[in-house]
Formats: sequence, C-alpha cells, structure tokens
Amino acid sequence: AQSVTQLDSQVPVFEEAPVELRCNYSSSVSVYLFWYVQYPNQGLQLLLKYLSGSTLVKGINGFEAEFNKSQTSFHLRKPSVHISDTAEYFCAVSPRTNAGKSTFGDGTTLTVKP
Amino acid sequence: KAGVTQTPRYLIKTRGQQVTLSCSPISGHRSVSWYQQTPGQGLQFLFEYFSETQRNKGNFPGRFSGRQFSNSRSEMNVSTLELGDSALYLCASSLESGVYGSPLHFGNGTRLTVT
Repeated sequence: AQSVTQLDSQVPVFEEAPVELRCNYSSSVSVYLFWYVQYPNQGLQLLLKYLSGSTLVKGINGFEAEFNKSQTSFHLRKPSVHISDTAEYFCAVSPRTNAGKSTFGDGTTLTVKP
Repeated sequence: KAGVTQTPRYLIKTRGQQVTLSCSPISGHRSVSWYQQTPGQGLQFLFEYFSETQRNKGNFPGRFSGRQFSNSRSEMNVSTLELGDSALYLCASSLESGVYGSPLHFGNGTRLTVT
C-alpha cells in the first residue's frame, strides 16, 4: 500500500517570492511520483513526473521537483511565483507494477498575494 | 486532441435515488479511472477500467459501480444515494502502451449534490 503526506495544507506567499510545497510518501514497492495542479472548478492537470533517472525534474510553468529516495520525499519548488499560480497542488504516487492506481495527498492550497 | 469529457457537469439528486455519470477519455487512451473528491476526504480512488475490465478497485461500498465500453467510454453508477455521496467525481484517462508511468488526464468533473 502507498500513502502520501503533504506537509502543509495552506501556503501563503507574496508574488515573486520562492515557494516550496512539501510531499513525503510511503510505499512498500517502487513508485512513480507526480505533481498535479487544480484550478477552481476544474480537474487536475499534470505539472511534472518522476519516473527514473535524474532526481531533479522540471515541469510546466517554471515548477521543478526533487526526488529524494532516502527521505522518501518529492518536494515541489518554484523560484518566483505569480498570482496565476494560486491553486491547489496535489502530490501523487502510483506503483510501478500497477500504474492504474494512483494515491493522492490531501492537497496544498497555494495562495499568491500581490 | 479533445480532452477528457465528463457529463453532466452538475447533478442534484435526492437520497435513495440512483445516478449515472459519463466519461469520454482522450482518443487512444484505454485506461479510465474514477475518483471522488470531497473537502474532508480529499481525492479517493474508486476504480480503474482497462479494455472493458475492472483492473483496480478502491474501498467503496458496492453501491458504487462502473463499466467501460469497447470505445473506452466509461460510466459510473451510484445506487441508493446518501447525503455523504455529495462530491466532485473526477474521471481520468491515461495511455497504456506498455510503458508505465503514463500520467492521468482529468476531466472537469461532475458535481453531485444529494439532498
């Protein structure tokens, strides 16, 4: 079984400041890791994913995440946020041998203030 | 390429009734998953269908069921609705080409309100 813990339920930040959204996971099997973003009244969109290889992955909209196997973490970062980044962000894992079943964290609401 | 389409967008039903939600995946995607999203429970996995077969199932009662058709379109049915079934139901499709790690592509959801 897998579990995902997003350590902050809400993150307020000022425009153009850096931000980090934290995600830890637990799994008895190897997993793929994802970050998704959800804007109001919409479904989720993929930001980035880690499958293998380099532990630093870059995604859309200037976001990046670093996979840390020893700490079982997959934190999301952006060096300078915009008002339009205000949304809910979800970390997710799926087992490599059963990729059809993803487990999501509870989400982090990022609020960017002017 | 058209995205994942869910219909209807909004539904209001009464306790005890049943409801059917529809999902059309992205063309070429053979895997369709369903999730329930609520403020208290977050995103909960319901089930996944692949090539008309249920491949994975979450921890939901038997009142929740689904199916997938030969064109990969999927429907989800909830019988004997309860107030706690009020939620945003999200459908997601993914490409299965033998390469795992295909991300989920979500529709905009169906907002179900049970009164």
